[in-house]
This record gives sequence, structure tokens and C-alpha cells, in this order.
Amino acid sequence: DAGVTQSPTHLIKTRGQHVTLRCSPISGHKSVSWYQQVLGQGPQFIFQYYEKEERGRGNFPDRFSARQFPNYSSELNVNALLLGDSALYLCASSLSDRGTILTEQFFGPGTRLTVL
Amino acid sequence: AQTVTQSQPEMSVQEAETVTLSCTYDTSESNYYLFWYKQPPSRQMILVIRQEAYKQQNATENRFSVNFQKAAKSFSLKISDSQLGDTAMYFCAFEDYGGSQGNLIFGKGTKLSVKP
Repeated sequence: DAGVTQSPTHLIKTRGQHVTLRCSPISGHKSVSWYQQVLGQGPQFIFQYYEKEERGRGNFPDRFSARQFPNYSSELNVNALLLGDSALYLCASSLSDRGTILTEQFFGPGTRLTVL
Repeated sequence: AQTVTQSQPEMSVQEAETVTLSCTYDTSESNYYLFWYKQPPSRQMILVIRQEAYKQQNATENRFSVNFQKAAKSFSLKISDSQLGDTAMYFCAFEDYGGSQGNLIFGKGTKLSVKP
């Protein structure tokens, strides 16, 4: 089975622009989470979606938004890009949204966003 | 708020030797999961081992084992018979059982280098 896929792999934008990152979960997984990993740091939770509903949101400004589609794929949108948004954006999928063993999260390779 | 602390930014070990990575966490919750993730230079985050807080027995996965001290809120990872392929960033992570779903809280990571 294919793992979590993300597109694009790399992206270069300028300040003030908008960006859309995409994620396809593992087949059968209904939950998608987004994380931001700044260079030299651990990932930080941005959003979780399950069955197309937002189930959790981290401490990120409203410039960050996301959605999940009927096929469980997801998009992360960032408006009015700042230099500090430069990071690796990771998507993770899991079977369930509940705090059980099934919430093991499988990560994609990430999208490297550079804001100039 | 839960926090995860990894006090060793970098470590190195000779091939075939044993190394222990440290992690401490802070939480008021009693039910939670703890994880060690590996992120090789290729970026994809991989689950190494997990521990349910309600289990007293330390988890073991082949060459990887943990020392879980719940009262001390300590969760260290021991890698035995280190291999060159173990070279990677290692992240300790916490998940509140039944809390905000998909919300893994990561430490800042430990960069492990295995030398031949």
C-alpha cells in the first residue's frame, strides 16, 4: 500500500503570497493531521481533521486554514506568507480520531516551504 | 499544558555499541501515550516505539527499548547494537489519551550519529 503522500515536495514563495499544500492519506485512514517543523525544532501541531470536520487546532494564526475532502485527502492553506512560515510541513494520517492504539500516525515526506 | 523536553541536542555512538536518549515530559493527565519517532536525513518520520502510560512493562521493539518512569515523568530510549542506519533525528512525543486528537507534542529532538 502507498504511504502518505504530499505535494509539492518543495515550494518557494514570496512574502504576502498564498500557498496550498496537499496531502493524501493512507487508504482507509480517515484522520489527517498537519504539523509545522521549523529547522532544528520538533514538529508543531497545526490542525487535525476527521471525517471532514476539524477536530483540533494548534496555536497558529487565522492565516492558516485547512480542509478535508470526501476522499479524506486534505489541503493546508496559508495566506499572507511571512518569512517565519518557512518550514517543513508534515501531514500525518491515522485510522481513527480517538485516543486508542489506532491513532498511530503515519507521516508523509513533507513539503519544504521557503518564503523569501 | 503538556511539554516534552529532550536535553541532548546531539549524541554520537560507535557502531555496535549501546546509546540512551533522554526525554522528560510534564503533564497532569494520567492516561497518555509516549512515542519515539525517528527522522532520517531523507525527512520521513517513522515510529520507533510507543508506550501506553497505564502499562508498567517497558516496551521493546527488537534493538529498541524504553525505560518508562511514570512518577519521574521520564521516557528514555535505549538503542542496542547501534547500526549506521540508526543515524537520524530522534523525537520524543506525547499524546493525551482521549484529549485533543491528532495532537502529538514533540520535543526538540536529539541528533544521533552512529560512527563506523
